[in-house]
Amino acid sequence: AQSVTQLGSHVSVSEGALVLLRCNYSSSVPPYLFWYVQYPNQGLQLLLKYTSAATLVKGINGFEAEFKKSETSFHLTKPSAHMSDAAEYFCAVSGEGSYIPTFGRGTSLIVHP
Amino acid sequence: ETGVTQSPTHLIKTRGQQVTLRCSSQSGHNTVSWYQQALGQGPQFIFQYYREEENGRGNFPPRFSGLQFPNYSSELNVNALELDDSALYLCASHTRKSGGPNYGYTFGSGTRLTVV
Repeated sequence: AQSVTQLGSHVSVSEGALVLLRCNYSSSVPPYLFWYVQYPNQGLQLLLKYTSAATLVKGINGFEAEFKKSETSFHLTKPSAHMSDAAEYFCAVSGEGSYIPTFGRGTSLIVHP
Repeated sequence: ETGVTQSPTHLIKTRGQQVTLRCSSQSGHNTVSWYQQALGQGPQFIFQYYREEENGRGNFPPRFSGLQFPNYSSELNVNALELDDSALYLCASHTRKSGGPNYGYTFGSGTRLTVV
């Protein structure tokens, strides 16, 4: 069965520092991978997706992620954190069966001034 | 282009009661998926509806049921509510592609259900 593991339930950075949120996946077929962001009391918003094209994927708000098959990873990065980036981030994988995404448990990004 | 709308936004129910949550899909989308997000957890897939039929189901008991209407809107019904059903219920719509990935998901803001 497909699954994702997000390392670290909380990540704390200073404003202007590099953001790195980790995601490792498990899938028996070539995966499609996603990062979503959730602000308090809101639904999920798609940040970016990997669909077997370029391994480096650029998304909205300056985020990007790199698909590394050898490491089964899809880590999310942003060069410089803003206060407005504080939110919950979810990694998801699909590709098996009916392509319904399976989500990780989420990582809460905390940005300090 | 309208997004996904869910109603109500908040709901408090008593254990043993029944609840119905509603979702209007984004214009042009023909498939609706429901997810349960417990506090501090990621969304867990409940089921998906396509052409008014259940098209996939996660590990949820039969007391979780749903409907999809001809206009692609959907309902989630939960019978015999339990305390552990307290969660944010998210609806997502997309256009289903046969044999291909469903990566056009648009999520609503959710319904916060509290069971007391």
